[in-house]
Amino acid sequence: DVKVTQSSRYLVKRTGEKVFLECVQDMDHENMFWYRQDPGLGLRLIYFSYDVKMKEKGDIPEGYSVSREKKERFSLILESASTNQTSMYLCASSTPGGQYNSPLHFGNGTRLTVT
Amino acid sequence: GQSLEQPSEVTAVEGAIVQINCTYQTSGFYGLSWYQQHDGGAPTFLSYNGLDGLEETGRFSSFLSRSDSYGYLLLQELQMKDSASYFCAVREGPAAGNKLTFGGGTRVLVKP
Repeated sequence: DVKVTQSSRYLVKRTGEKVFLECVQDMDHENMFWYRQDPGLGLRLIYFSYDVKMKEKGDIPEGYSVSREKKERFSLILESASTNQTSMYLCASSTPGGQYNSPLHFGNGTRLTVT
Repeated sequence: GQSLEQPSEVTAVEGAIVQINCTYQTSGFYGLSWYQQHDGGAPTFLSYNGLDGLEETGRFSSFLSRSDSYGYLLLQELQMKDSASYFCAVREGPAAGNKLTFGGGTRVLVKP
C-alpha cells in the first residue's frame, strides 16, 4: 500500500512566521502535489512536482514555495504566514500516468492555524 | 482554467440510490475522476472515466459524456458508511503532470 506521510497533523503558527510542511511518500512516485482544502472550495492545487528539483505552480501559488531535493520528499513553505493561510493542507503523490489514469494517493493532512 | 460544479449536499436513506452530478468547463480534459473523503480522513480514489460511458465498481458507478462536459457518480444500496464527501476532479493529462482540478465536493448524508 502506498503511504504518504505528512509530518504534522495539527500546527499552530503566528502571523509572519516561516512555516514548513513536510511530506514523504514511500512508493517511488515521480509526481507529488500540495493542495489546500477549504469548506465549499474543494481542493485547490498550490504546487506540484513531476521530478526531483522540478516544480510547477498550481492554481493558488501566491504566498507559498516548495522544495523537492529528494524524490520521496516534497516540502511546502509559507514564507511569511498569514491568517488567510489557515487551512487543511493535503499532500499527494502519483506515478506519471501517461496514457492511463494514475490515482492520487493522499496523506492525512495538516491542519494549520495561523493566529 | 478549470471550473467544476457539483451539488453541495445530498441526503438519502439506507438502501437508496444517490446520483451526484458534475459539470465542468475546462481548457484541457483527459478524464474525470471521483474521490471519497470521510470526515477527518484523506481523500481516496473511487473511479475514473477516460472515455464516454459507464464504469462500474461494485455498488458505485461513474458515467462520463465528453460532448456534454458532464459526469455523475452513482451510489447504489446506500450504507451508513457511505456518509462522506465526494469530489469530482478533471485530469489534465500527462503533459500537465497528471494534475487534478477538484470540484467543491458533495456531502452525502445517509440516514437510517
